[in-house]
Amino acid sequence: KNQVEQSPQSLIILEGKNCTLQCNYTVSPFSNLRWYKQDTGRGPVSLTIMTFSENTKSNGRYTATLDADTKQSSLHITASQLSDSASYICVVSAPLSGGYNKLIFGAGTRLAVHP
Amino acid sequence: GAVVSQHPSRVICKSGTSVKIECRSLDFQATTMFWYRQFPKQSLMLMATSNEGSKATYEQGVEKDKFLINHASLTLSTLTVTSAHPEDSSFYICSARKRYQGRHKLGSTDTQYFGPGTRLTVL
Repeated sequence: KNQVEQSPQSLIILEGKNCTLQCNYTVSPFSNLRWYKQDTGRGPVSLTIMTFSENTKSNGRYTATLDADTKQSSLHITASQLSDSASYICVVSAPLSGGYNKLIFGAGTRLAVHP
Repeated sequence: GAVVSQHPSRVICKSGTSVKIECRSLDFQATTMFWYRQFPKQSLMLMATSNEGSKATYEQGVEKDKFLINHASLTLSTLTVTSAHPEDSSFYICSARKRYQGRHKLGSTDTQYFGPGTRLTVL
């Protein structure tokens, strides 16, 4: 079973609208949780990163929240733009020996913003 | 800073040939590089972890003799898909982890920087 579950699998919204993407995880312990944006045919680009002690992190129109107790995170996109059309991937880092992390990827939510 | 490049961006080859993909960290030294594979509408799957100057560590189910990884320097890792077949067609993405100086907090925010990916199509 995937340790990082994202919903919805895909989403279509109109330009200018807001949306919220969900991420539930079972990874424990975990070091941090990141949201990435991946445009079609491109590599992932980091949007936000939160450690277990952080509840929210913003990056422009992107706001991520984290509830470490319920192991849930969300990514809220405000005033969507056509360029927001992409896959959004939730990635949870599990600590390894030596001070590094192993990344565990969700399957992503494919967002399409229509004019 | 922290730019990772991949070359080529896309490649088409005949079945049975070998293809080499390069991953470079342009403005930082990377002690560790990672190779991922991504099939359509799926997330990234880690194939192997490559440390400079040592053999790569492959994930379960990944054939090390088919996917040859060389990490010859702190800024370059290569992935060679040997005797490629149509089922090897995929999007290959590398990432690089910065070489930190000084103390590093256990399991906190070591960051992997992703390359733009290479689209491999095997005919």
